[in-house]
Amino acid sequence: NAGVTQTPKFQVLKTGQSMTLQCAQDMNHEYMSWYRQDPGMGLRLIHYSVGAGITDQGEVPNGYNVSRSTTEDFPLRLLSAAPSQTSVYFCASKAGDPADTQYFGPGTRLTVL
Amino acid sequence: GNSVTQMEGPVTLSEEAFLTINCTYTATGYPSLFWYVQYPGEGLQLLLKATKADDKGSNKGFEATYRKETTSFHLEKGSVQVSDSAVYFCALTSMNYGGSQGNLIFGKGTKLSVKP
Repeated sequence: NAGVTQTPKFQVLKTGQSMTLQCAQDMNHEYMSWYRQDPGMGLRLIHYSVGAGITDQGEVPNGYNVSRSTTEDFPLRLLSAAPSQTSVYFCASKAGDPADTQYFGPGTRLTVL
Repeated sequence: GNSVTQMEGPVTLSEEAFLTINCTYTATGYPSLFWYVQYPGEGLQLLLKATKADDKGSNKGFEATYRKETTSFHLEKGSVQVSDSAVYFCALTSMNYGGSQGNLIFGKGTKLSVKP
């Protein structure tokens, strides 16, 4: 049981490049989400999904796209990277109840030059 | 809107000292409250939670009580250890937030350093 996995662990991009951050979970959770963590800002929600084929925007969605074709996977796409997207990105998943524990991946540290 | 405010750090304590990290919240409806911990270089993991007023969450010697009258969920530990050094996040979920299945709303985090 691997829980929530994320790849890559580190990534450096140049401004304007695109990339996909991968996230997978093996707990059959319906709910998955992406957060970014910036110094002094806590974690802010980018996008989330309540099931395969269903996604919605969080607090800071601009510059990011998501899709959810399977229960297990929830990739985050940066279409044209900007320095403001330099951050640590965390994927998380949980079962359906709002009080359920949310499980986090180990994070991806992204630097955009 | 819904929000979480927690005391700013960093907090530096000596081993065996008493710890309090204050957390207050603003929310509509009946939120569930959480403390998550992030050890250096790792993702977040749940420390404890409480889902209704007057509930006490506890784990690894840490405790927090859901106080609806003061809208607070302060984290306490009677005797901290060097291994408790980490960043602590207070968070809430509320079904009223975006109508989703309980998106987490986080405070900004409090960094704790415990010296031997």
